[in-house]
Amino acid sequence: AQSVTQPDIHITVSEGASLELRCNYSYGATPYLFWYVQSPGQGLQLLLKYFSGDTLVQGIKGFEAEFKRSQSSFNLRKPSVHWSDAAEYFCALEGNTDKLIFGTGTRLQVFP
Amino acid sequence: KAGVTQTPRYLIKTRGQQVTLSCSPISGHRSVSWYQQTPGQGLQFLFEYFSETQRNKGNFPGRFSGRQFSNSRSEMNVSTLELGDSALYLCASSLEGPLHFGNGTRLTVT
Repeated sequence: AQSVTQPDIHITVSEGASLELRCNYSYGATPYLFWYVQSPGQGLQLLLKYFSGDTLVQGIKGFEAEFKRSQSSFNLRKPSVHWSDAAEYFCALEGNTDKLIFGTGTRLQVFP
Repeated sequence: KAGVTQTPRYLIKTRGQQVTLSCSPISGHRSVSWYQQTPGQGLQFLFEYFSETQRNKGNFPGRFSGRQFSNSRSEMNVSTLELGDSALYLCASSLEGPLHFGNGTRLTVT
């Protein structure tokens, strides 16, 4: 079965602190993996994607993610969080069905 | 380049009614997908259209249907609305790559 797990429902960090959002997937082969961000009342914006090749992927807004096959993980990181990063973050997998399977999301709150 | 446009942004309907949502993809994108987002179920895939043909379908009842026109614009229809259909409906388009989402249509069924 194909699935995505985001273990953290809600994370709170201080502005300027580092951030890591966890994502684990279940899939028999190497999937295509994505991170999207959703601000209140908005759609989803693509932060970054992993298809193949270099396991460290750079995205927009200073985000990066690392694909670890041995851990079935694709964690999102940012070295210094800004107040504008407060939003909900979704990890997604595209397997052999050509449709995205999303995790349940992690809501990020940033304190000044 | 304009993004994915969904209309209307908000809708309020009564149980038993039907509703049609519209989506205009990014110019040149031929694939359009629809997702339902609710607090309880999260983001769930409804269907995907490519060149006016449904290419993929999620696990939703037949009350949910869609179509795509020759200009790649897509519509989604929900008949006999139920309270549980209240959700944010997101449309996304792609050109053999990642999905690009619109801002969604917020449907409230009363």
